Amino acid sequence: AQTVTQSQPEMSVQEAETVTLSCTYDTSESNYYLFWYKQPPSRQMILVIRQEAYKQQNATENRFSVNFQKAAKSFSLKISDSQLGDTAMYFCASVAGGTSYGKLTFGQGTILTVHP
Amino acid sequence: EAQVTQNPRYLITVTGKKLTVTCSQNMNHEYMSWYRQDPGLGLRQIYYSMNVEVTDKGDVPEGYKVSRKEKRNFPLILESPSPNQTSLYFCASSWGLAGGRNTQYFGPGTRLTVL
Repeated sequence: AQTVTQSQPEMSVQEAETVTLSCTYDTSESNYYLFWYKQPPSRQMILVIRQEAYKQQNATENRFSVNFQKAAKSFSLKISDSQLGDTAMYFCASVAGGTSYGKLTFGQGTILTVHP
Repeated sequence: EAQVTQNPRYLITVTGKKLTVTCSQNMNHEYMSWYRQDPGLGLRQIYYSMNVEVTDKGDVPEGYKVSRKEKRNFPLILESPSPNQTSLYFCASSWGLAGGRNTQYFGPGTRLTVL
């Protein structure tokens, strides 16, 4: 079974600054994948970034990067140069790559507000 | 345009009146799934399907049915809706589950209210 925990219900940041959203997970699988999804007020679920657990290198996508600490089971999202359009709810999620594949397990979400 | 579509986007109904929420994807994805989103709980999986005629339960399957008769379609059926099924529903799909194929793409969501 997998669990994903986001301990920050809400965060705020000033435009152009950097913010980090926290996520911890637990899994018994050796092969798994981690994701951050963004849900703006439109409610659409948008993939932000993806990390394969067997890869040591942290994933990056433009202003978005992760700090993947496998031993600590931590997967935080860093947003650099925050923009007003980054205002959204952010979900951390995991999926196993082995026999229990099929279920994407989500955290509770973090509401991020970017202030001008 | 590659996409996952859901209909209807909004639905208000009454307890016990059967309803179906449709989901369709045009990406030839093998894997499809339904989730519900509730405040403070994130998204929870209802059912998923690995391919045509292959479906399995997720975390919260009670009160829901699904079918996968065609690869592109994965409807969610509520035979006798109850107020505790009031929620935001998402359909998602991916090419598969192995390696780089498991990124799930989501539909726009269906807001369901059961009175």
